[in-house]
Amino acid sequence: GAGVSQSPRYKVAKRGQDVALRCDPISGHVSLFWYQQALGQGPEFLTYFQNEAQLDKSGLPSDRFFAERPEGSVSTLKIQRTQQEDSAVYLCASSPRQPGGRLSDTQYFGPGTRLTVL
Amino acid sequence: SQQGEEDPQALSIQEGENATMNCSYKTSINNLQWYRQNSGRGLVHLILIRSNEREKHSGRLRVTLDTSKKSSSLLITASRAADTASYFCATWGKQGAQKLVFGQGTRLTINP
Repeated sequence: GAGVSQSPRYKVAKRGQDVALRCDPISGHVSLFWYQQALGQGPEFLTYFQNEAQLDKSGLPSDRFFAERPEGSVSTLKIQRTQQEDSAVYLCASSPRQPGGRLSDTQYFGPGTRLTVL
Repeated sequence: SQQGEEDPQALSIQEGENATMNCSYKTSINNLQWYRQNSGRGLVHLILIRSNEREKHSGRLRVTLDTSKKSSSLLITASRAADTASYFCATWGKQGAQKLVFGQGTRLTINP
């Protein structure tokens, strides 16, 4: 079946522009995560959704970052007034609910969106 | 901030040799996972070991976990050129937070 998809794969923005990054999780996956990965580093958590509810946004670096998942499926990460330090790969991941109802702790990652802010 | 460190940061070996990567972390965990990332691609889940387990195998992969030392190791046996990638450990905390905390990764190169 189809995996997690993200679009665009590459985005170049001028400093001060707003950008919107899209994530299509695996169909039926309850949990959705956004991570930011700087060059040569491991991914860092940004935010987490369970269905349409944003349960954790503790990793969002500033109020310029906003994420939504209005219908509990597709999610959008928006960055307003982009700055050079926002340049990174933004990864989306989803995970299902296990038989019995417990949330899975294994995540399925998309290919990422590489954002370059000039 | 990231959970801990991975060692070495880069490793280059000949095809057929074994590769060992180490990971240390800081807090109590529910489980520890290893992921692989090929250049320019997303992460692929390799293996998960729970805090009450000490060793786990999957194909050519062997993972150990020492919770007293807050460390884990990943062994890839009989390496292949296709194993060239970055490998990350990630921890799932005990406090119920639904997120993975990643290390900085080991860049593995397998030379033919």
